[in-house]
Amino acid sequence: DSGVTQTPKHLITATGQRVTLRCSPRSGDLSVYWYQQSLDQGLQFLIQYYNGEERAKGNILERFSAQQFPDLHSELNLSSLELGDSALYFCASSVGRAGVGEQFFGPGTRLTVL
Amino acid sequence: GNSVTQMEGPVTLSEEAFLTINCTYTATGYPSLFWYVQYPGEGLQLLLKATKADDKGSNKGFEATYRKETTSFHLEKGSVQVSDSAVYFCALTRRNTDKLIFGTGTRLQVFP
Repeated sequence: DSGVTQTPKHLITATGQRVTLRCSPRSGDLSVYWYQQSLDQGLQFLIQYYNGEERAKGNILERFSAQQFPDLHSELNLSSLELGDSALYFCASSVGRAGVGEQFFGPGTRLTVL
Repeated sequence: GNSVTQMEGPVTLSEEAFLTINCTYTATGYPSLFWYVQYPGEGLQLLLKATKADDKGSNKGFEATYRKETTSFHLEKGSVQVSDSAVYFCALTRRNTDKLIFGTGTRLQVFP
């Protein structure tokens, strides 16, 4: 158990809908990262927050947004969903802001868009 | 740009065989290098890491050496077990950034 929790575990929805994925980092970790794992794109970094502020952005679509709250949990919002958004979404957390610290991954949320 | 290239899988081995999974990288500066493992139905776990050239990361019998001259970070294990069956990801981060850049992953299947 990494100490990172993600809810829900599975999510099935229809095209055009909006969903929210939730992540609680390990106790004491200030950075939260979101990754998308799909068959065609592999594992891709989406976005990072550090202590409530956006720190880095990767291949995140404009239809997707995220935020980190004062209690350090994070939410990833996916809107106008398309079939291609079906994937595993991982959250990870780490202690520091930048450098070589280990990232601890949650179990993931499997999103299926029908 | 920065990227990681891994050997295609699946890699199929018998128990107690020697394992090598190749990983090469392209990066500016001096990246940190990682191997993560994903067991079926689970998230990724850090297996080992190396932060500078010639460093050797090791854990659970797995080893990888940071080779700057060949831009490689190959994963090795002397004797695999059935329980090592998983997908292995090579990854890097650049200095002063946190985002992990992953390879495509290599599935390892170990049979008794």
